Amino acid sequence: EPEVTQTPSHQVTQMGQEVILRCVPISNHLYFYWYRQILGQKVEFLVSFYNNEISEKSEIFDDQFSVERPDGSNFTLKIRSTKLEDSAMYFCASTGGRQFFGPGTRLTVL
Amino acid sequence: KQEVTQIPAALSVPEGENLVLNCSFTDSAIYNLQWFRQDPGKGLTSLLLIQSSQREQTSGRLNASLDKSSGRSTLYIAASQPGDSATYLCAVRSTDKLIFGTGTRLQVFP
Repeated sequence: EPEVTQTPSHQVTQMGQEVILRCVPISNHLYFYWYRQILGQKVEFLVSFYNNEISEKSEIFDDQFSVERPDGSNFTLKIRSTKLEDSAMYFCASTGGRQFFGPGTRLTVL
Repeated sequence: KQEVTQIPAALSVPEGENLVLNCSFTDSAIYNLQWFRQDPGKGLTSLLLIQSSQREQTSGRLNASLDKSSGRSTLYIAASQPGDSATYLCAVRSTDKLIFGTGTRLQVFP
């Protein structure tokens, strides 16, 4: 079965640094998403992306966040200046009906 | 604002029992509802997707029902096994995003 992949699996960074989380969605899917899950909390929607533009974003997705589809396969989430509270599991998802999730990137901000 | 609640928060049962996990949502204007499984520290595995026009979906020992008008879904697990131990999340699709519940942490002991 096709799957969503994410790299890296774990990223440790210093507060204030920029990080880029990478995702390869399922190849024939057109809608892409980022979600995050702070330890012990709900999975929260960050942003959806369709036709090379953001279609919806949450209050969490402020100016520190950006998304990009730099080529035909990758989908990235950039956090410009990380804060301690950005520490979480970040999940990429894509959909052709049901949403399929990647394994996640655990981001630790020190 | 859509809110999704799951009860119970945790459940511990002996192997072989039939289980019912509950999910409720406040706004019945949904496109679909998905049930996911999450193993500790891992990603989300989609189990079942029920479209808003459907009443139930079945996959193996899993059966999910949806009563959109009352804002409820149940996940029925037949003949539970230790390998079913995980957190089960329900998520409703409102507009372009999934809104998740807090999950039910299930432990099935031999």
